[in-house]
Amino acid sequence: GEKVEQHESTLSVREGDSAVINCTYTDTASSYFPWYKQEAGKSLHFVIDIRSNVDRKQSQRLIVLLDKKAKRFSLHITATQPEDSAIYFCAASISNTNKVVFGTGTRLQVLP
Amino acid sequence: EAAVTQSPRNKVAVTGGKVTLSCNQTNNHNNMYWYRQDTGHGLRLIHYSYGAGSTEKGDIPDGYKASRPSQENFSLILELATPSQTSVYFCASGERVGQNTLYFGAGTRLSVL
Repeated sequence: GEKVEQHESTLSVREGDSAVINCTYTDTASSYFPWYKQEAGKSLHFVIDIRSNVDRKQSQRLIVLLDKKAKRFSLHITATQPEDSAIYFCAASISNTNKVVFGTGTRLQVLP
Repeated sequence: EAAVTQSPRNKVAVTGGKVTLSCNQTNNHNNMYWYRQDTGHGLRLIHYSYGAGSTEKGDIPDGYKASRPSQENFSLILELATPSQTSVYFCASGERVGQNTLYFGAGTRLSVL
């Protein structure tokens, strides 16, 4: 079945710098790639997604890139702020199924 | 706003005991999910459901059963709890096949002693 690998387990950046989190997936049938954020002690909430018919999507300071050939996608957070500190999870979903598989999470710390 | 409610929020169980984790959603979503979160493993899918009466095995179903008696409710059942099932469990709902933004509950912290 589908496996999602999240490459950075922890990431520290200075406030104002950019952060990049990388994920790879195994199933070429995957077509939907959401990202979720988990703040300390809280549940997960959706932040941004990308579908396989595009290779870039931006929402304010968040940019998602998708490279279908390499089966790789990434989350870029620009001009990081302290409130960006959290665990970020990438996920993948195969079209025509309901199964959503998550990566292992990246703990992002934004340092002052 | 989407609402997924889990109960209990915290549970201490004894080894060999039966545990039932409950999840209720008011989103009228067809799809519901149970994940567990463990350090180093991220979120792993235990069971999921397409709608009332259906349950599907996820990636780590052993030791767990699921029940979806209605659109709103999805339960996770540990018939014989073991210490290895100590974890944080998240329920989620989602509405669309293939483009499935998930809405998560607050989580249940389960300790099996």
